[in-house]
Amino acid sequence: ETGVTQTPRHLVMGMTNKKSLKCEQHLGHNAMYWYKQSAKKPLELMFVYSLEERVENNSVPSRFSPECPNSSHLFLHLHTLQPEDSALYLCASSQGTDGYTFGSGTRLTVV
Amino acid sequence: KQEVTQIPAALSVPEGENLVLNCSFTDSAIYNLQWFRQDPGKGLTSLLLIQSSQREQTSGRLNASLDKSSGRSTLYIAASQPGDSATYLCAVYTGGFKTIFGAGTRLFVKA
Repeated sequence: ETGVTQTPRHLVMGMTNKKSLKCEQHLGHNAMYWYKQSAKKPLELMFVYSLEERVENNSVPSRFSPECPNSSHLFLHLHTLQPEDSALYLCASSQGTDGYTFGSGTRLTVV
Repeated sequence: KQEVTQIPAALSVPEGENLVLNCSFTDSAIYNLQWFRQDPGKGLTSLLLIQSSQREQTSGRLNASLDKSSGRSTLYIAASQPGDSATYLCAVYTGGFKTIFGAGTRLFVKA
């Protein structure tokens, strides 16, 4: 275990479905992130939360909706996704300049 | 604008060889640089974190150096093993929840 836990590990969903990705950290970090990693592309930052407040939203389509109910949990709610949204979704946490800790990711396939 | 480049994009070496992976960045105003390992379809595992005031960090067979003035970092892997095969990414933290990732170097160690 890395200290950052993501569930589920794999998800297949239809374009009309609604699903949620979950991320949990027990490191006491004050910032949490969602990244998207598509095949042969660099990591793309989607959202950043600091102390449960969203501080960054990198022009992500509204079909992705983040939620941070407390400093240990982060969700990514998904609805009416497109096939091009199929990717590896990574959650990370950090505290100051102590570096990032990543979860194992959720492999999402939209059919 | 900070840019992070990793060269080479891919590398294949025989088992037992010592190797160096390179990471360059365009703006020396960084707080730290972090090296990660990523296995296919998995999350990022932190290998080494070098703060801006440090010159190098070591962990087992890995040694990472940082030269802020020239905008360069190297990851040295001694006595490579097939289990070292993975993609290695470097990332620079520029403050304010902004971390810039390189595209990675895909390493294959042949038995």
